[in-house]
Amino acid sequence: NAGVMQNPRHLVRRRGQEARLRCSPMKGHSHVYWYRQLPEEGLKFMVYLQKENIIDESGMPKERFSAEFPKEGPSILRIQQVVRGDSAAYFCASSLSTGLTNEKLFFGSGTQLSVL
Amino acid sequence: DQQVKQNSPSLSVQEGRISILNCDYTNSMFDYFLWYKKYPAEGPTFLISISSIKDKNEDGRFTVFLNKSAKHLSLHIVPSQPGDSAVYFCAASGANTDKLIFGTGTRLQVFP
Repeated sequence: NAGVMQNPRHLVRRRGQEARLRCSPMKGHSHVYWYRQLPEEGLKFMVYLQKENIIDESGMPKERFSAEFPKEGPSILRIQQVVRGDSAAYFCASSLSTGLTNEKLFFGSGTQLSVL
Repeated sequence: DQQVKQNSPSLSVQEGRISILNCDYTNSMFDYFLWYKKYPAEGPTFLISISSIKDKNEDGRFTVFLNKSAKHLSLHIVPSQPGDSAVYFCAASGANTDKLIFGTGTRLQVFP
């Protein structure tokens, strides 16, 4: 029973390159959340997606960041033209149902993005 | 605007003693609270939760207390073990939110 799978675990990019982070939710889960953890900070919500739909992207920077969760395949968090400030751990989480009352999120191991 | 606050960045406790981690929130619409535990280089894992209709929930060595009037919750670990050394995140959700809001975390170190 695989948990939330994220890849790659570590990603190194030079300034100006693109970063693609992948997340496969737990089996049967159709709700995906992306969080970012900057050094010495907590987990900051970025975006909440259901299959083929973005439900809440209030935590996403307005530029360079995008996310998708296609009907088939993993969820992708895409960062274009990366800058050093994008260096962080990016965590994906999934849940079984909508609405988080009495529901918990299951997290992946994260992708550590380092921008040189 | 930090809606969930963990004011103690770190806590050091001797093995066998009680660890008390605190969390405060500002949004009175939150009605479900969770604690997550995180080891280095791993994702957070769910530890224990509590609904706003309760003031206490216990699971083995872990107990969460909720004081709604003070908008405060705490996690008690007793007895503390070295394997409990990790970062603990408090999180909250509510009827008008579709996501978990996390605190900044408290690093617990349990020493022998």
